[in-house]
Amino acid sequence: AQKVTQAQTEISVVEKEDVTLDCVYETRDTTYYLFWYKQPPSGELVFLIRRNSFDEQNEISGRYSWNFQKSTSSFNFTITASQVVDSAVYFCALSEGNQAGTALIFGKGTTLSVSS
Amino acid sequence: NAGVTQTPKFRILKIGQSMTLQCAQDMNHNYMYWYRQDPGMGLKLIYYSVGAGITDKGEVPNGYNVSRSTTEDFPLRLELAAPSQTSVYFCASSYSMAGGGYGYTFGSGTRLTVV
Repeated sequence: AQKVTQAQTEISVVEKEDVTLDCVYETRDTTYYLFWYKQPPSGELVFLIRRNSFDEQNEISGRYSWNFQKSTSSFNFTITASQVVDSAVYFCALSEGNQAGTALIFGKGTTLSVSS
Repeated sequence: NAGVTQTPKFRILKIGQSMTLQCAQDMNHNYMYWYRQDPGMGLKLIYYSVGAGITDKGEVPNGYNVSRSTTEDFPLRLELAAPSQTSVYFCASSYSMAGGGYGYTFGSGTRLTVV
């Protein structure tokens, strides 16, 4: 069965600290896709990244970086030099295979609070 | 393109009332989804559709109904509202991506309170 676990419910940091959000997934498919979304206090879901199961390269985008490790079924997200605007709920999600209509399976989310 | 449009943005219902949450997309996506988000629980799939006339249950379908008469619209119906249906509802659509798999576009959500 497919599952996404975000063990950290809430994290609080002070501005300029680095923070890593953990994501562990379970799937039996060899082809799958992993996502991160940000949900700011305004409530909308903001897409951050999509990674397929065949690409284990780490990705960096500005202050954001992602570490994908198939050996540990993890897809962790690091924010470097955090800022108050990074305060949000972050969701990790999984979609399996390429079949029509495959839905996203979400973790429960990690609430990040960055204080000044 | 407006993307995925959800209406209303907010609604308060009394127990036992019914209502329809509207979702429309103008991207000609075949696949559409309804999720609900409860505090601390992530998003859970209610129903999904792979095309006009085809719908299927997700993880938490009880108390809801859907229809898909056109590619553009995917309304979600609550027949007898209960306090347990107090939640934020998100509609989404998906599209094939180069290299495989799908990308997902989400609406801005409907915050529903049942009192």
